[in-house]
Amino acid sequence: EPEVTQTPSHQVTQMGQEVILRCVPISNHLYFYWYRQILGQKVEFLVSFYNNEISEKSEIFDDQFSVERPDGSNFTLKIRSTKLEDSAMYFCASIEVGGAYEQYFGPGTRLTVT
Amino acid sequence: RKEVEQDPGPFNVPEGATVAFNCTYSNSASQSFFWYRQDCRKEPKLLMSVYSSGNEDGRFTAQLNRASQYISLLIRDSKLSDSATYLCVVDGGSQGNLIFGKGTKLSVKP
Repeated sequence: EPEVTQTPSHQVTQMGQEVILRCVPISNHLYFYWYRQILGQKVEFLVSFYNNEISEKSEIFDDQFSVERPDGSNFTLKIRSTKLEDSAMYFCASIEVGGAYEQYFGPGTRLTVT
Repeated sequence: RKEVEQDPGPFNVPEGATVAFNCTYSNSASQSFFWYRQDCRKEPKLLMSVYSSGNEDGRFTAQLNRASQYISLLIRDSKLSDSATYLCVVDGGSQGNLIFGKGTKLSVKP
């Protein structure tokens, strides 16, 4: 069964550093999403991406964040200058076009900012 | 602000018990509804979509009441492997972004 993959599984970085989190969505899916979950809190929507541009973003997704689909398979989330409060699990998800929004999540990247 | 509220939990039940989770959502424009389960430090996994007519998948039954903006999940004959956090999820808009509840933790004991 096809699945969303994410790398790395765990990233430790120092405050102020840039990080890039990578996702490979399911191959025939065309809508992509990033979510985050701070430890002990709920999963929160960050951004959706379709046809090589951002479709929607939340108030969390400020100028420090950017997304890109650099090639036909990868979907990346960049945090330009990490803050302590960026420490969280970051999940990538994808759906087929026209799907009933049944999103399939990758295993996540645990980001720890020290 | 679009919110999803769930039973606070935790629910501690013996094997074989029937357990029900409830959820309310604030966005009357939501069109898609789901239950996900999340194991500790893992990704959310889709358990089932929720349809207006109600739907069943084995031991799991989901109900939706659009007028009350209320969603429920019933688990019958609970198993040890059902122990997880159950997330009530609704769509937040036309681009498919999802709004999650904080989840209800279920612990099934032998």
